[in-house]
Amino acid sequence: KNEVEQSPQNLTAQEGEFITINCSYSVGISALHWLQQHPGGGIVSLFMLSSGKKKHGRLIATINIQEKHSSLHITASHPRDSAVYICAVPSGGSNYKLTFGKGTLLTVNP
Amino acid sequence: NAGVTQTPKFQVLKTGQSMTLQCAQDMNHNSMYWYRQDPGMGLRLIYYSASEGTTDKGEVPNGYNVSRLNKREFSLRLESAAPSQTSVYFCASTGGANYGYTFGSGTRLTVV
Repeated sequence: KNEVEQSPQNLTAQEGEFITINCSYSVGISALHWLQQHPGGGIVSLFMLSSGKKKHGRLIATINIQEKHSSLHITASHPRDSAVYICAVPSGGSNYKLTFGKGTLLTVNP
Repeated sequence: NAGVTQTPKFQVLKTGQSMTLQCAQDMNHNSMYWYRQDPGMGLRLIYYSASEGTTDKGEVPNGYNVSRLNKREFSLRLESAAPSQTSVYFCASTGGANYGYTFGSGTRLTVV
């Protein structure tokens, strides 16, 4: 099974700050997923990436396949970015199943 | 709107009661999943269906059964609910290994 570690577990920032959330995994993968879950809410897929970098608005995701590491960056953070951010990777030996990190709770204060 | 529709949104059961959680997707996805989410545990896979006509156990299948009724629908059944099954349940689907996942809005289940 692929082990997924996210850091930090909790992160508090002031509006406008640059945010970085990290994800490390133990087994080589084909693609990594970043998900967002607002408190009491559903889960939304932000990115799926297999190499390099992807950008969507103020969100940027990067991955280093050799290092088995990915980062999610939020530029000019806003209170509406407050959510749990979850990293997920294919479970070892299967492209049909994902292993999820425990999530990073981000709180952005105005 | 295209997506994953999950029902019900909330449910309270007494220990020993049964219920079925329904999930339907209209994106023509091959693979569908049932997860449970518990505080401090992250999402854990209960059962999945890689394609129509197949189902397989995930990490935590005990106490659950599933049915892939057709390509659109994947239901999760609790035959005899237990307090340990109190959780938030999410259905999800994907077009395959190179595609993102779409999640339902979740079912908050309490077993008393």
